[in-house]
Amino acid sequence: QVQLQESGPGLVKPSQTLSLTCTVSGGSMDSGDYYWTWIRQPAGKGLEWIGRIYNSGDAKYNPSLKSRVAISVDTSKNRFSLNLTSLTAADTAVYYCARGYCTSDSCYDMDLWGKGTTVTVSS
Amino acid sequence: EIVMTQTPLSLPVTPGQPASISCKSSQSLLHSDGKTYLFWYLQKPGQSPKPLIHEVSNRFSGVADRFSGSGSGTDFTLKISRMEAEDVGVYYCMQSVELPQTFGQGTKVEIK
Repeated sequence: QVQLQESGPGLVKPSQTLSLTCTVSGGSMDSGDYYWTWIRQPAGKGLEWIGRIYNSGDAKYNPSLKSRVAISVDTSKNRFSLNLTSLTAADTAVYYCARGYCTSDSCYDMDLWGKGTTVTVSS
Repeated sequence: EIVMTQTPLSLPVTPGQPASISCKSSQSLLHSDGKTYLFWYLQKPGQSPKPLIHEVSNRFSGVADRFSGSGSGTDFTLKISRMEAEDVGVYYCMQSVELPQTFGQGTKVEIK
């Protein structure tokens, strides 16, 4: 079955850029009209939507992060990525990737999640 | 942005008993396409969130039928008909009618 797996550095220094990748396995990203989402969760806190991207490359971002975030997709490699610049301690969190899709009848937002990857911003 | 408010934030439930979580949005979640974009997720301890309900009342594939969702406009409810030990975790509502998508604060459900 289709699985998502986040990967990237666990520790990043303040002011640097975070780059994470979500690899899709068990199926092709472009086998349907999917969109791909990044969500994060600081330790002991709730969920924050970072942004999403369609297979077409059309991306939407959370305005609270918009100037620092970029999401890209590479369907040929079955993966999508998150770049977050100018990191501070407030960006320390577990980062999740997720899949969504809509049919003519319904939308299935975040129907599949990765296990998450912990990112710590510290010098 | 749309603010999602869940109550209660903590809910102890006796096994076999029902449970109910409320989720209120600061704006209507009814889209011009006629659909209401309200979702529910369960995050079990140490795990990533799992989908439960899409568009107010539709269970995702594989979700037990003891979970049900209802509501309209700005007021929504998730119900567990009979609490089981495996239902322990934090429940989140989420809206996607408007960007940015936003989640409720989460309701921690535990065994009483």
